Amino acid sequence: EAGVAQSPRYKIIEKRQSVAFWCNPISGHATLYWYQQILGQGPKLLIQFQNNGVVDDSQLPKDRFSAERLKGVDSTLKIQPAKLEDSAVYLCASSLVVAGGPRSYNEQFFGPGTRLTVL
Amino acid sequence: QKEVEQDPGPLSVPEGAIVSLNCTYSNSAFQYFMWYRQYSRKGPELLMYTYSSGNKEDGRFTAQVDKSSKYISLFIRDSQPSDSATYLCAMTSTGGFKTIFGAGTRLFVKA
Repeated sequence: EAGVAQSPRYKIIEKRQSVAFWCNPISGHATLYWYQQILGQGPKLLIQFQNNGVVDDSQLPKDRFSAERLKGVDSTLKIQPAKLEDSAVYLCASSLVVAGGPRSYNEQFFGPGTRLTVL
Repeated sequence: QKEVEQDPGPLSVPEGAIVSLNCTYSNSAFQYFMWYRQYSRKGPELLMYTYSSGNKEDGRFTAQVDKSSKYISLFIRDSQPSDSATYLCAMTSTGGFKTIFGAGTRLFVKA
């Protein structure tokens, strides 16, 4: 089974430029997540999709970040314009279902991430 | 106060040692407690999860949850150099929604 694919793996841009990241989740996974992981910190959820609908985007800086998931499969995350503090690894994850029974945990499978450096 | 606190380390141990990794949390609504392992330049991968309080064992790994103290632990027995990675605790109130991660503890196991 192929894992979560992300591209590009690395990106260096100047501040105020725009950038886009792409994610292809595991086939059949309804839920897709974008996380931001700043160096030395744990991943922070930016946005969560179920199929092509947004479940949670409460921590997405909507003045500069946007995300979409067309046709409930691939997803793109965009930053426009980028700031220095956006330097981080952007992780995409997917899981099979949104919620199971009370004792079931829907494992999130992570991609390798895109390492963004803003100069 | 952060919802999840985790000592970032680094923690350096000799091969064969028992490793203890810990997290504390403040939100009593958390019901699912996970440990992820993250190798350098890779995404996190789930090691174990526990629902509510108690212990769970999987090979050399044991996860413990004490909800009364809001404290979780991961023990690694007979640690190996291949265990060298960052270990992230994570928790959520529902099975997959709004997972909150700790900062991660960097572990080095010396051969």
